[in-house]
Amino acid sequence: DIQMTQSPSTLSASVGDRVTITCRASQSISSWLAWYQQKPGKAPKLLIYKASNLESGVPARFSGSGSGTEFTLTISSLQPDDLAIYYCQQYNSYWTFGQGTKVEIK
Amino acid sequence: EVQLVQSGAEVKKPGESLRISCQGSGYSFTSYWISWVRQMPGKGLECMGRIDPSDSSIEYSPSFQGHVTISADKSISTAYLQWSSLKASDTAIYYCARPARPTSYWYFDLWGRGTVVTVSS
Repeated sequence: DIQMTQSPSTLSASVGDRVTITCRASQSISSWLAWYQQKPGKAPKLLIYKASNLESGVPARFSGSGSGTEFTLTISSLQPDDLAIYYCQQYNSYWTFGQGTKVEIK
Repeated sequence: EVQLVQSGAEVKKPGESLRISCQGSGYSFTSYWISWVRQMPGKGLECMGRIDPSDSSIEYSPSFQGHVTISADKSISTAYLQWSSLKASDTAIYYCARPARPTSYWYFDLWGRGTVVTVSS
């Protein structure tokens, strides 16, 4: 099974800050990685697919990069609406999610 | 509108049975797998398994094999998740989700709103 590890588990940043979340796979998954945003009481929402492709309608401040085993999600200028938990997911072999990163606003 | 509509919240006692549902609409239900995803209170997302509604072939995650049953009725575009004997540890939100590409392990582009299952004596 492919394991996904996110870091940090929680981060606190100010509005306007650049925020980066890292996701590491236990083996190479090429670019078969997605990022989701989950706001309190809501279902996850797709942000990024195939490591760096922005889903339609997602603000351009979100971006993804990486391949192989190391990936990042970046929010270029944190907004109050970005308060959420962010999950990575590999779909190279079945599906596995990372444990999530909670983003708090200072 | 393309959507997955899930059944409502359930409160059950340990040992009781339960079936929750996920109805797809606005797309060809038999062209896309449906996956079930568990989220325990305050925890992350776990894929439980998936079903191909076209032929009801199923794949379970090892952690869930034998504990739940996934099924589908393509005539009414509905997938199900079923327990024969609930435990308190089954308390969670259960989401159904659709991969973005037909019959493929692909990212999920469509999610239901979730069904809250509470198991308590």
